[in-house]
Amino acid sequence: EPEVTQTPSHQVTQMGQEVILRCVPISNHLYFYWYRQILGQKVEFLVSFYNNEISEKSEIFDDQFSVERPDGSNFTLKIRSTKLEDSAMYFCASSPLLVVWRSSSTDTQYFGPGTRLTVL
Amino acid sequence: DAKTTQPPSMDCAEGRAANLPCNHSTISGNEYVYWYRQIHSQGPQYIIHGLKNNETNEMASLIITEDRKSSTLILPHATLRDTAVYYCISRGGPGAGSYQLTFGKGTKLSVIP
Repeated sequence: EPEVTQTPSHQVTQMGQEVILRCVPISNHLYFYWYRQILGQKVEFLVSFYNNEISEKSEIFDDQFSVERPDGSNFTLKIRSTKLEDSAMYFCASSPLLVVWRSSSTDTQYFGPGTRLTVL
Repeated sequence: DAKTTQPPSMDCAEGRAANLPCNHSTISGNEYVYWYRQIHSQGPQYIIHGLKNNETNEMASLIITEDRKSSTLILPHATLRDTAVYYCISRGGPGAGSYQLTFGKGTKLSVIP
């Protein structure tokens, strides 16, 4: 069964450094997302991406963050200058965003295993 | 904040059915009810979703009340591996313009041997 994959599984970085988190969405999916979860807290939406542009973003997703789909398979989240409070699990998700007339939608989001980012 | 209300925790005996309730009294007519679960710190796992009708798949059943103000996720034969946090999320369907999932605190289900 197709899965969303993420690399690395764990990233340790120094405060102020740039990090790039990588995701390979499920093939043929059209919508891509990043969420994060600070330890012990809720899963929070960061950004959604469709047709090579951001379609939605949350207040968390400020100028320090950027997303890119550099090729046909990867979807990346870049944090330019990491802060201690960026330490969290980062989850990538993808969905097919197909509409089926008179039936349930098939735009279900499927999540990857996450990247644990630790900022020291 | 999440638009759904769930009990913070529940226990279920292994082999028994686990019935997880969710209240979504302010749900609008075009919003779906989605259920995900998260085991430890793994990525949220999709379970099932529905709009009006009851739904069943290989993992679970979803029972939605006629007025759509509440629903119940049923795991028919809970195993120890079903111990997880279960999230009930209401979200617009295709064309809604917003597809983000808003997670609440969910229900921590503990399956007991």
